Amino acid sequence: EAGVAQSPRYKIIEKRQSVAFWCNPISGHATLYWYQQILGQGPKLLIQFQNNGVVDDSQLPKDRFSAERLKGVDSTLKIQPAKLEDSAVYLCASSQPLGLAGLRGGELFFGEGSRLTVL
Amino acid sequence: AQSVSQHNHHVILSEAASLELGCNYSYGGTVNLFWYVQYPGQHLQLLLKYFSGDPLVKGIKGFEAEFIKSKFSFNLRKPSVQWSDTAEYFCAAGAAGNKLTFGGGTRVLVKP
Repeated sequence: EAGVAQSPRYKIIEKRQSVAFWCNPISGHATLYWYQQILGQGPKLLIQFQNNGVVDDSQLPKDRFSAERLKGVDSTLKIQPAKLEDSAVYLCASSQPLGLAGLRGGELFFGEGSRLTVL
Repeated sequence: AQSVSQHNHHVILSEAASLELGCNYSYGGTVNLFWYVQYPGQHLQLLLKYFSGDPLVKGIKGFEAEFIKSKFSFNLRKPSVQWSDTAEYFCAAGAAGNKLTFGGGTRVLVKP
């Protein structure tokens, strides 16, 4: 099966500029996540979608970050304006509910990530 | 607050040595536990997971983990590592709904 697709893989911008990342989850996966992974740290959840609705965005810095998942499939994460501390890898993941996918239920499938450098 | 802590940031060992990575979690209620691995240049992928039942879980590539509820631990083990096990390992915990909280990761370097 095709995996989670993300683009771009790399992006370098200057502070105060804007950037957008795109994610296409595995077909049929209702739940989509955006994680931020700063160098030397574990992934931190930014936002979780169930279909096209937001389940959890408690750790999303809403003054500069926004995300949407139109039509419950692809998702876009935007940062505007970017700060130096936003330099990180932005990971998209998708999953199926525990009760619906047998042995693979509850597993998050990750994309390769989008590496952002803010200068 | 939910949290996951991994004891070691870096581990260096030789091929054929045994590996054990510590993971402790703080979570209210029923918790699902995972170990993910990230090989150099690759995406995060699942090694193994625990939802319920037998607390000794076997995963891919000879890895296993033991859930000890009384210690809030889910340590990862492999009896004999190979050079190809060089990677970063992440422990994660989550309740129903699939949202996962990750530990800080342990970088493992296996010397040939």
